Amino acid sequence: EDQVTQSPEALRLQEGESSSLNCSYTVSGLRGLFWYRQDPGKGPEFLFTLYSAGEEKEKERLKATLTKKESFLHITAPKPEDSATYLCAVHNAGNNRKLIWGLGTSLAVNP
Amino acid sequence: NAGVMQNPRHLVRRRGQEARLRCSPMKGHSHVYWYRQLPEEGLKFMVYLQKENIIDESGMPKERFSAEFPKEGPSILRIQQVVRGDSAAYFCASSLTGESGQPQHFGDGTRLSIL
Repeated sequence: EDQVTQSPEALRLQEGESSSLNCSYTVSGLRGLFWYRQDPGKGPEFLFTLYSAGEEKEKERLKATLTKKESFLHITAPKPEDSATYLCAVHNAGNNRKLIWGLGTSLAVNP
Repeated sequence: NAGVMQNPRHLVRRRGQEARLRCSPMKGHSHVYWYRQLPEEGLKFMVYLQKENIIDESGMPKERFSAEFPKEGPSILRIQQVVRGDSAAYFCASSLTGESGQPQHFGDGTRLSIL
């Protein structure tokens, strides 16, 4: 069964303290791995799509990487405004178009 | 605002009533997806629609739930005879194409509360 597991569940950082979030996946034929950010009371905001092992994407203080089993979201020198829940999701090789989601990592960055 | 628009943002219903949730996709998008989010369960896929067609409804309960995406107007998720367990946040997403690997863009959801 396709599965996505994110760790840690929660992470508290000091402003400027870099760290990484993990997304491990088991999927029958990966067609895309997606990172989203979700703020309280809002919908998921699209950040990145990764398609194949070795691929990397960057946006401001965020960098996403992908291997055959997991993806990392690296946060460099975070700021309080980076506080949010970060969600990982995958598309598999089946005919469906549904995203399979992890439960997210809740990130809090203290000033 | 060219983003995905959902309304209402909050909806309160009594048990047994009907709930109708609306979603207008991003401009130019003709593929719509509905998800339900519960605090300890994460986001769960419900249904995928294109204009006038239901493509995949494998995540939607067979009873009381229905969805449509007419030629004109928003997509509608309809829940009949609501029960307490239907309380959740319901999110709509849209994509430009239906190709696997295309990112889906989300609205801010409808929070449904059942009294």
